[in-house]
This record gives sequence, structure tokens and C-alpha cells, in this order.
Amino acid sequence: KQEVTQIPAALSVPEGENLVLNCSFTDSAIYNLQWFRQDPGKGLTSLLLIQSSQREQTSGRLNASLDKSSGRSTLYIAASQPGDSATYLCAVEGARMLTFGGGTRLMVKP
Amino acid sequence: EAQVTQNPRYLITVTGKKLTVTCSQNMNHEYMSWYRQDPGLGLRQIYYSMNVEVTDKGDVPEGYKVSRKEKRNFPLILESPSPNQTSLYFCASSPFGGGRNYGYTFGSGTRLTVV
Repeated sequence: KQEVTQIPAALSVPEGENLVLNCSFTDSAIYNLQWFRQDPGKGLTSLLLIQSSQREQTSGRLNASLDKSSGRSTLYIAASQPGDSATYLCAVEGARMLTFGGGTRLMVKP
Repeated sequence: EAQVTQNPRYLITVTGKKLTVTCSQNMNHEYMSWYRQDPGLGLRQIYYSMNVEVTDKGDVPEGYKVSRKEKRNFPLILESPSPNQTSLYFCASSPFGGGRNYGYTFGSGTRLTVV
């Protein structure tokens, strides 16, 4: 059964720092990997989708990489801002479902 | 606008009173699913549907029912809700074909409280 782990569980940084969120998964037979953002009590906003054949995707200050063979993905956030404060979820798509990690709760302090 | 719409957004009900949470998508997606999110347990899949009239259990199906009579709608039914079904519920959809290149789109969530 696929298991997805995100490290760290929580992170607090001062504004302007570059930061890396980590995601690992146990079964490399995935279709794609998706990073989401979730604000407290709110829905999931898709940030980046990396197909299994791709190595990375970029959107603005966000860059996500995927190393399928080692079961790892990273989300890089450049020049963090207080508005980036949220929970970031990594999810891998298998044959029938998305499996989510536990999330990284990010706080960016002004 | 392409979206997944859930209703209601908030619901407080009493134990045993049947309820339905609706989910509708306007993207002609084949695949739809329901998740619940609980503190410390993350997001877990309840049921999913590969297409009309094709549904199957996810990881936590007990106490829930679903139906998929039309492609756009995938309601979640709680026949006899209990307090342990208090949770934040999400509906999601995805185009199942096309090489899985499009990812999942999620609804805004339904916060259910069963007292």
C-alpha cells in the first residue's frame, strides 16, 4: 500500500527565506505527483502537477522536482512571503486514487 | 469556470438523521471521489467512481453510500450519521483518460458536525 511522508511537519521562517519542503513515497509506480496548498479550514488548491515522466515543474516562485526511482519530491519556495503561510500537501496518483502525505504547516513571519 | 461544486458548505445534524452531500463537476471528468480530512489522520478516500454506474470503496467506506447515475454528479449519502463522521469532506474529480496528465480538482469542502 502506498505511503506518503512529508518532512518537516511544521516550519516557521522569516519572510524572504528560500525553503524546501520534502515528500517521499514508498511505491514508485505512480502516474503523477501533485502539490496542493490548503488554508485553515479551506479547500485544496492545486499548485503543481508533475507527470511521472517529468523531472520538475515551475510556477512563479514555486519549483517542484520529482525523482520517481528514489520515491522523492521537493517543493522549493523562493523568497517566501507571509501570504505563503498555509499547509502544503503532497499527493501521488496511483491506479485508483490519490494518496496524501500528512502535510507541512508553513508559517512565514513578517 | 471549470470547477467542482459541493453543497452544503457547512452542516450540523443529529445522530441518525439521513443526509446527502452533493458534488457536481462541469469538466466532463470520468473519475470522481470523496475524501474526509481529520486532524492527525490526514485525507482518506471514502469512495470513488471510475465512470457512470461504476463505484468502489476507498479506505474508509463504512457508514457511507454513493451513487453515480450521471457523469457530472456524485452524491455522498450518510444513511444514519454518527458523531465519528464529524469531519471535513472533499469531493474531487479527474479526467481518467489522457495519460493522467491533468491531476485532480477538488471542491471547497463540506464541514459536517454530527451531534
